[in-house]
Amino acid sequence: GQNIDQPTEMTATEGAIVQINCTYQTSGFNGLFWYQQHAGEAPTFLSYNVLDGLEEKGRFSSFLSRSKGYSYLLLKELQMKDSASYLCAVRYSGAGSYQLTFGKGTKLSVIP
Amino acid sequence: EAGVAQSPRYKIIEKRQSVAFWCNPISGHATLYWYQQILGQGPKLLIQFQNNGVVDDSQLPKDRFSAERLKGVDSTLKIQPAKLEDSAVYLCASSLVGGRGADTQYFGPGTRLTVL
Repeated sequence: GQNIDQPTEMTATEGAIVQINCTYQTSGFNGLFWYQQHAGEAPTFLSYNVLDGLEEKGRFSSFLSRSKGYSYLLLKELQMKDSASYLCAVRYSGAGSYQLTFGKGTKLSVIP
Repeated sequence: EAGVAQSPRYKIIEKRQSVAFWCNPISGHATLYWYQQILGQGPKLLIQFQNNGVVDDSQLPKDRFSAERLKGVDSTLKIQPAKLEDSAVYLCASSLVGGRGADTQYFGPGTRLTVL
């Protein structure tokens, strides 16, 4: 299988910066996505990386190193509403299709 | 632009009963996905359609699960008979061009299934 590893839980303080790491198997890699999922809701798209480097989008940034099979999501100026699960998903190519494989998610709790 | 629609939102059934879920993707999206998300885990792909054809159903338990997308738009996912371990949220997603490049999947609100 294509294991995707990310921490189960993290806690951070309002206004702070938090980094959520993700490691994955590199064979067949075709892109990496980060999704945010609030409890009881559907995942919503945050970012996409396919080349090495940092992609910045407002308070959220995502980094990718393809050779290391590593990505992180950086959240700045944390707000209470950022409390959610963050899902790392890797797209693998093969057999004519592109399939997203999700990690188990990192549950982030933002405290005052 | 309307998002991905799913119904019902919640369903409670007893084991060995059957159940069906419905999904209407974003208008114009050729690719439709069904995922199963068990509590505390990430979504797991069950089946992927490109228009009305199946692209990948390698993780679909075909002895009890079936899915169709007859006219290339709406889709239904059926479980018959249900088992206790089928309790999960069933998410439908759609994307424009089948997952290539920066093609992004957009998810519906999901159907929470409880099997007693």
